[in-house]
Amino acid sequence: GAGVSQTPSNKVTEKGKYVELRCDPISGHTALYWYRQSLGQGPEFLIYFQGTGAADDSGLPNDRFFAVRPEGSVSTLKIQRTERGDSAVYLCASSHSSDPQQQFFGPGTRLTVL
Amino acid sequence: RKEVEQDPGPFNVPEGATVAFNCTYSNSASQSFFWYRQDCRKEPKLLMSVYSSGNEDGRFTAQLNRASQYISLLIRDSKLSDSATYLCVVNRGSQGNLIFGKGTKLSVKP
Repeated sequence: GAGVSQTPSNKVTEKGKYVELRCDPISGHTALYWYRQSLGQGPEFLIYFQGTGAADDSGLPNDRFFAVRPEGSVSTLKIQRTERGDSAVYLCASSHSSDPQQQFFGPGTRLTVL
Repeated sequence: RKEVEQDPGPFNVPEGATVAFNCTYSNSASQSFFWYRQDCRKEPKLLMSVYSSGNEDGRFTAQLNRASQYISLLIRDSKLSDSATYLCVVNRGSQGNLIFGKGTKLSVKP
């Protein structure tokens, strides 16, 4: 079956602009996670959805970052007033309720803020 | 101090070598433990879960010592295709976010 998909695969934007990153989880997976990976680092947790609600958003770095999952499937990560330090690979993962520990990752969106 | 610490690497080994990665975690409330593999410019993929009794999957053996808060991964008879970054990962609960180490890069040479 189809895995987690993310669009766009690459996004280049200018400092101060607004961006949206999309994640389409594996069908039937109720949990969805966003992580951010900077060069030479492991992924860092941003936010976790269980269904439509954000169960844990403690990893969002500041109020410029926001994420939604209105119908409990596709999620959008939104970044306002982008800064150069936001440049990273944004990874999305999903897991099924029968095995919540096993998270399947998408290929990521590489964001570059100039 | 990072919650999950790994050997800095990189590890450069010849084919057929045995290589061991170590990892420590600082939160004693951590409940689940994993090794993920990440190829260059690709997403992380689960390699194996780690259990207190230790577990083996082919050439890979993982060990967990809860008292020392220490996790290890042993790769025997390494192959060129094992070249990747290996990420030590913990989870504080039954669901929720994974906490990743920085990763250790392995290069297996012919």
